Amino acid sequence: DTGVSQNPRHKITKRGQNVTFRCDPISEHNRLYWYRQTLGQGPEFLTYFQNEAQLEKSRLLSDRFSAERPKGSFSTLEIQRTEQGDSAMYLCASSLAPGNYGYTFGSGTRLTVV
Amino acid sequence: AQSVTQLGSHVSVSEGALVLLRCNYSSSVPPYLFWYVQYPNQGLQLLLKYTSAATLVKGINGFEAEFKKSETSFHLTKPSAHMSDAAEYFCAVTRSEYGNKLVFGAGTILRVKS
Repeated sequence: DTGVSQNPRHKITKRGQNVTFRCDPISEHNRLYWYRQTLGQGPEFLTYFQNEAQLEKSRLLSDRFSAERPKGSFSTLEIQRTEQGDSAMYLCASSLAPGNYGYTFGSGTRLTVV
Repeated sequence: AQSVTQLGSHVSVSEGALVLLRCNYSSSVPPYLFWYVQYPNQGLQLLLKYTSAATLVKGINGFEAEFKKSETSFHLTKPSAHMSDAAEYFCAVTRSEYGNKLVFGAGTILRVKS
């Protein structure tokens, strides 16, 4: 088991462009979470999936953000028409559910919007 | 609602000294509590977790934390700081009633002086 994998590790994009991040969770984990972390802050919850179903979305997740988890395996997070305020570390985590609290985090994708 | 407060955004200790990082939670029911460590440009690594078993929890790298319901606290300690402990530490809370998602504090940066 290689843990939670996130790609790319770093992404620099121009304002207005679209970006997509990928997360590969631990294979037997059926829950997958996306968090956003800005400088000097703790991670903030964005959304989570149980298998392929997206069960909750934070109000932080504007209409420009969309997440998918086809077939309940890997997940993608897409940001359309990026803004400078989207610059952050995007973290993915996975766990078994329900009742198991063994969250495992990936190394994150750092997005810089210029 | 549940939230986490970490007292002190920066803590500085000498190598070999006691490490004490403070975390207080607010929750209407006993929560599950976690401490994570984050090194620069890395994801989050779990140090330890409290899930209603023993109130004194031992984690990796010599860290431990004690759940005190009367004080609504879950402070992280280590008897003797090592240079490699320099990092950012996050306290987090969750409950199954909240969809098992983690809610993080703002973090405490630990500096270890030689």
